[in-house]
Amino acid sequence: DQQVKQNSPSLSVQEGRISILNCDYTNSMFDYFLWYKKYPAEGPTFLISISSIKDKNEDGRFTVFLNKSAKHLSLHIVPSQPGDSAVYFCAASRSGGGADGLTFGKGTHLIIQP
Amino acid sequence: DTGVSQNPRHKITKRGQNVTFRCDPISEHNRLYWYRQTLGQGPEFLTYFQNEAQLEKSRLLSDRFSAERPKGSFSTLEIQRTEQGDSAMYLCASSRLTWNEQFFGPGTRLTVL
Repeated sequence: DQQVKQNSPSLSVQEGRISILNCDYTNSMFDYFLWYKKYPAEGPTFLISISSIKDKNEDGRFTVFLNKSAKHLSLHIVPSQPGDSAVYFCAASRSGGGADGLTFGKGTHLIIQP
Repeated sequence: DTGVSQNPRHKITKRGQNVTFRCDPISEHNRLYWYRQTLGQGPEFLTYFQNEAQLEKSRLLSDRFSAERPKGSFSTLEIQRTEQGDSAMYLCASSRLTWNEQFFGPGTRLTVL
């Protein structure tokens, strides 16, 4: 039973345009959400996070939106750059204190086309 | 750089052998986590420590797996009697007490022949 779902295994976007990566979750106990980026042969790198008390968080080119009623979040990257090509993982936590293991989706492979 | 480090980066072993991996977290981080990632999947949580206390274990952590963090600093993950299904990337992460953000190491890739 997958509690965090990323339904698009891959996404291709032109350089300079907006990349939108989507994530759905089923467990209503999740209250903190994170996005990680992963290059081959490296561990995941933390990108941005959002608490369930907010609906938007922005950091430079990265913005995460949370729709609690739909149990849906999305990561927007504007403008997309070649270095953004990587696998992006959505992750969720049940505890506001972060005292548990994260539950990850299967990832979306983002490819930025020149 | 004082990020999370893991050793070895790669391990090839024969079925039935025991293996041990080491993780050195970011020095001021109290929490340390172990995850396993297989091809096409996201990382799956195995266990976590707060200082030296092991506070949570996933059902994925069978009796053949054991983890320790003896002095609340580095941690080891041991797999006894390895099976081919144990082949995966083993990731370690650490975080501060009041942070949700976990910072990952580069992982140890285990291949069981």
